[in-house]
Amino acid sequence: EAQVTQNPRYLITVTGKKLTVTCSQNMNHEYMSWYRQDPGLGLRQIYYSMNVEVTDKGDVPEGYKVSRKEKRNFPLILESPSPNQTSLYFCASSGSGNRGETQYFGPGTRLLVL
Amino acid sequence: AQKVTQAQTEISVVEKEDVTLDCVYETRDTTYYLFWYKQPPSGELVFLIRRNSFDEQNEISGRYSWNFQKSTSSFNFTITASQVVDSAVYFCALSEWALSGGGADGLTFGKGTHLIIQP
Repeated sequence: EAQVTQNPRYLITVTGKKLTVTCSQNMNHEYMSWYRQDPGLGLRQIYYSMNVEVTDKGDVPEGYKVSRKEKRNFPLILESPSPNQTSLYFCASSGSGNRGETQYFGPGTRLLVL
Repeated sequence: AQKVTQAQTEISVVEKEDVTLDCVYETRDTTYYLFWYKQPPSGELVFLIRRNSFDEQNEISGRYSWNFQKSTSSFNFTITASQVVDSAVYFCALSEWALSGGGADGLTFGKGTHLIIQP
């Protein structure tokens, strides 16, 4: 089944404790992206990657890191999480990386930073 | 920069009623793409439709239909004979091709409309 998977689905952590949210897609997509969803703010892009070893900032990159060493994986790293990073996180992917292609989303990761 | 406005924060209707969700967008690009996604209570984001700026034909898929009007910069979504399973948050989103207005690379989402279908 073609899909985007994220792990973990739920995470409670404390301020300052480094964490990684994994994202993997099995559709051979070039483009991958991370979004966060917050009440009243909708979804906002954090980082994106057009291809392996190519990443760039989205609208809200502060406090996050990403890497794209393999085509199928695009982990999101929070080096020192803070309570304002409590959110619902989505990973997404699309085919060739052209703007306007449909992005398919993972199931989401709910993060609570205490 | 691009912008998507979903003015209806929440809509509540009784099952079998028709309901229209509004979406108004702003962009400086002549080539752009519009999307609708559904977010059911379980939380995932489900793709519903993609439309490019050169295709103003309305689309119907079962009980769902979409009305794209460039003259009013709107891409409205209608559910006919609504069902309880249609209860969800619906997001309209925009992607610019050239980013001529300095917009972001990814999808620009509206804030969503929470649709409640009462039995």
